[in-house]
Amino acid sequence: DSGVTQTPKHLITATGQRVTLRCSPRSGDLSVYWYQQSLDQGLQFLIQYYNGEERAKGNILERFSAQQFPDLHSELNLSSLELGDSALYFCASSNGYLSTNEKLFFGSGTQLSVL
Amino acid sequence: AQSVTQLGSHVSVSEGALVLLRCNYSSSVPPYLFWYVQYPNQGLQLLLKYTSAATLVKGINGFEAEFKKSETSFHLTKPSAHMSDAAEYFCAVSAGAGNNRKLIWGLGTSLAVNP
Repeated sequence: DSGVTQTPKHLITATGQRVTLRCSPRSGDLSVYWYQQSLDQGLQFLIQYYNGEERAKGNILERFSAQQFPDLHSELNLSSLELGDSALYFCASSNGYLSTNEKLFFGSGTQLSVL
Repeated sequence: AQSVTQLGSHVSVSEGALVLLRCNYSSSVPPYLFWYVQYPNQGLQLLLKYTSAATLVKGINGFEAEFKKSETSFHLTKPSAHMSDAAEYFCAVSAGAGNNRKLIWGLGTSLAVNP
């Protein structure tokens, strides 16, 4: 058990809809990272928050947004969903500010299926 | 631009045989290098990391990797494969400078272990 909790584990929705994925980081970790994993794109970094502030942005679409709350949990909002958004979405956490030589702890992911 | 290349998206070995998973990187600054493993239906977990202390890095579950600067490689090995090693393996490099350092991920190598 990594200590990172993601809910829900599975999500099935229709095109055009909006969903929210939730992540609770490991106790004491201040950084939260969101990743998208698909067969054709591999593991894609979306966004990182550190102690409530956006720290780094990756290949995140404008239809997607995220935030980190004062209690350090994070939510990833996906809107105007398309078939191609179907993927496994991972949250990871780490103690520090930079993901340089730090160990990332990953949650088990949310499997999103857009029909 | 920094990049990570994992040679072979699928590798199959017999139980007890040597495991060799290849990773080559490009980085304009001294890199930090990582191997993560993803077991079925789980999130990624750190196997080992190179942070310039020693070129041969030992990780969990009997895996090790050797940093070869001249070859820009960080291949993962294990002398004797076990059935439980069947998983997806990801190589990653910490790239960039200062606050722009990010983790760049390879596409992953799926390891199958045959009885």
